[in-house]
Amino acid sequence: QVEMVQSGAEVKKPGASVKVSCKASGYTFSTYGISWVRQAPGQGLEWMGWMNAYRGDTNYSPKLQGRVTMTTDTSTSTVYMELRSLTSDDTAVYYCARDAANRGLLDYWGQGTLVTVSS
Amino acid sequence: DIQMTQSPSSLSAYVGDRVTITCRASQSIRTYLNWYQQKPGKAPMLLIYAASSLQSGVPSRFTGSGSGTDFTLSINSLQPEDSAIYHCQQSYTTPRTFGQGTKVEIK
Repeated sequence: QVEMVQSGAEVKKPGASVKVSCKASGYTFSTYGISWVRQAPGQGLEWMGWMNAYRGDTNYSPKLQGRVTMTTDTSTSTVYMELRSLTSDDTAVYYCARDAANRGLLDYWGQGTLVTVSS
Repeated sequence: DIQMTQSPSSLSAYVGDRVTITCRASQSIRTYLNWYQQKPGKAPMLLIYAASSLQSGVPSRFTGSGSGTDFTLSINSLQPEDSAIYHCQQSYTTPRTFGQGTKVEIK
């Protein structure tokens, strides 16, 4: 069965960076992309970007362009999302989700990773 | 960016009721509209894609309709396990955008 397993919760200081991992299993990793979505406490969902898990090409939200980097390790079927220059506004649960060919159709999600930014 | 607006923000209904949630896009998105269900502390789950196609494993009491700018998600015969937040999302273009969510509670 398809599973997306994310890394654990993080606490960071303002100005720091965070890197969240998402390990996929149960399907052919190279045939799907991964989108990242975040959800601030009590708020709605915000799409952060997408990457082709095999080729590594990306499509980032303009709002986060310049602060976010998504990378892939095909040897371990793992995708990473790094967010830099963190502020309290980045406090959120971060989700990865399988997204075929950047169609924006998110059919399997990770369990979420809480990132807390606090001094 | 395409703005997605859901109504109502919340609703309360009895088990067995039919419930309808509306999602409006700020411009035409044809049928590139998806619906997700999110329960407290959990990740969202895909319910409906391409406006009206039921995701595998989702109960048939969930139906979606619409095209262009106006869409609806209906739950026929509401069940206790349907208590959740429902999000619409456009996949017509990037950046993908979501509605603000509709909270469905059981009376």
